[in-house]
Amino acid sequence: DQQVKQNSPSLSVQEGRISILNCDYTNSMFDYFLWYKKYPAEGPTFLISISSIKDKNEDGRFTVFLNKSAKHLSLHIVPSQPGDSAVYFCAASVRNRDDKIIFGKGTRLHILP
Amino acid sequence: DVKVTQSSRYLVKRTGEKVFLECVQDMDHENMFWYRQDPGLGLRLIYFSYDVKMKEKGDIPEGYSVSREKKERFSLILESASTNQTSMYLCASSLNPIVYEQYFGPGTRLTVT
Repeated sequence: DQQVKQNSPSLSVQEGRISILNCDYTNSMFDYFLWYKKYPAEGPTFLISISSIKDKNEDGRFTVFLNKSAKHLSLHIVPSQPGDSAVYFCAASVRNRDDKIIFGKGTRLHILP
Repeated sequence: DVKVTQSSRYLVKRTGEKVFLECVQDMDHENMFWYRQDPGLGLRLIYFSYDVKMKEKGDIPEGYSVSREKKERFSLILESASTNQTSMYLCASSLNPIVYEQYFGPGTRLTVT
């Protein structure tokens, strides 16, 4: 049973516009959420995170929104740049239980010139 | 900066061979993890370790074992490689309990023929 779902395998966005990547989760115990970015032939790199006590976290061009009642989070990238083309993984964990992170299957973002 | 290194970027092995994948981190992290990444399946946890000599099964441990004799080193072992173990293998580490983000190595692309 997939606890973290990224229902869009790919997304294409024009350079300069907003990219919105979505993620749904099923486990209400999750209290910490992360986004990772992965280029081909490289390991994932941590992008941004949010605790369940917040509904928004911003870091430069990247903002993560959390809607706990809907069990949904989204990553907004604005403005989108060519270097943002990558696979984005949504992940979640239950802190203080164990340190496992459950990853979604990823969304491939293409930034079009 | 956290550095996680993996012994090989690319590896080709024959069916039935014993395969060792090595991972080293230089930030004194307690937790270490092994994942495999396959197209359409995202990142799946194979094994993880909270401390030296400790190991826990992840979601797909079958066909794998691990060893953690020193804090900085976490080895993944394929006792008898099979073609369905052809994959990208990613090692990660994290500092428990303060930092929940995992830091990944560059990955090892293993091909079993």
